[in-house]
Amino acid sequence: AQSVTQLGSHVSVSEGALVLLRCNYSSSVPPYLFWYVQYPNQGLQLLLKYTSAATLVKGINGFEAEFKKSETSFHLTKPSAHMSDAAEYFCAVSENSGNTPLVFGKGTRLSVIA
Amino acid sequence: GAVVSQHPSRVICKSGTSVKIECRSLDFQATTMFWYRQFPKQSLMLMATSNEGSKATYEQGVEKDKFLINHASLTLSTLTVTSAHPEDSSFYICSVPGTGQTGELFFGEGSRLTVL
Repeated sequence: AQSVTQLGSHVSVSEGALVLLRCNYSSSVPPYLFWYVQYPNQGLQLLLKYTSAATLVKGINGFEAEFKKSETSFHLTKPSAHMSDAAEYFCAVSENSGNTPLVFGKGTRLSVIA
Repeated sequence: GAVVSQHPSRVICKSGTSVKIECRSLDFQATTMFWYRQFPKQSLMLMATSNEGSKATYEQGVEKDKFLINHASLTLSTLTVTSAHPEDSSFYICSVPGTGQTGELFFGEGSRLTVL
């Protein structure tokens, strides 16, 4: 069965500092991997996705993630944090490109300090 | 990307009453929709898969008689929480698979249910 582990339920960075949110996955087949962002009392917005093309994936708002099969990881990074990046971030996995639900990690809350 | 609309965004009800939440796919048809539940400061847990024209598929531990799902058209799925109790208070989010065969889901804005 597929699963996702997000290390660190809360990450705090200074404005302008590097953001690194960790995600490790477990999957019996080549996975499809996603990072979503959630602002308070809102739904989820897709940041980026890995679908077996390039291992370094660039997303919206300056975020990117690198798929590392050997480490079963898909960590999310951003070179310089902005106050507006403060939100909850979810890593998710799917073993199918079709109509299947995603399995989510527990989420990481990112705080940005001025 | 797809636009998914949920209504209502917030609802407060008394214990014992029923509440209906609507999920609409606004720009393409969806034979499948997924309903998730999110407790405060927790992740999203899949409740059920809504299938157009047939019965929903529920995850283990989710009471199908309590959480009624109707997918009567290709653009609308509804979740009805019957005889709601305070422990049903949660954030309910629907999602629609994209058409690009990438596994991506598009999410509604969510519905915050508070049962008094």
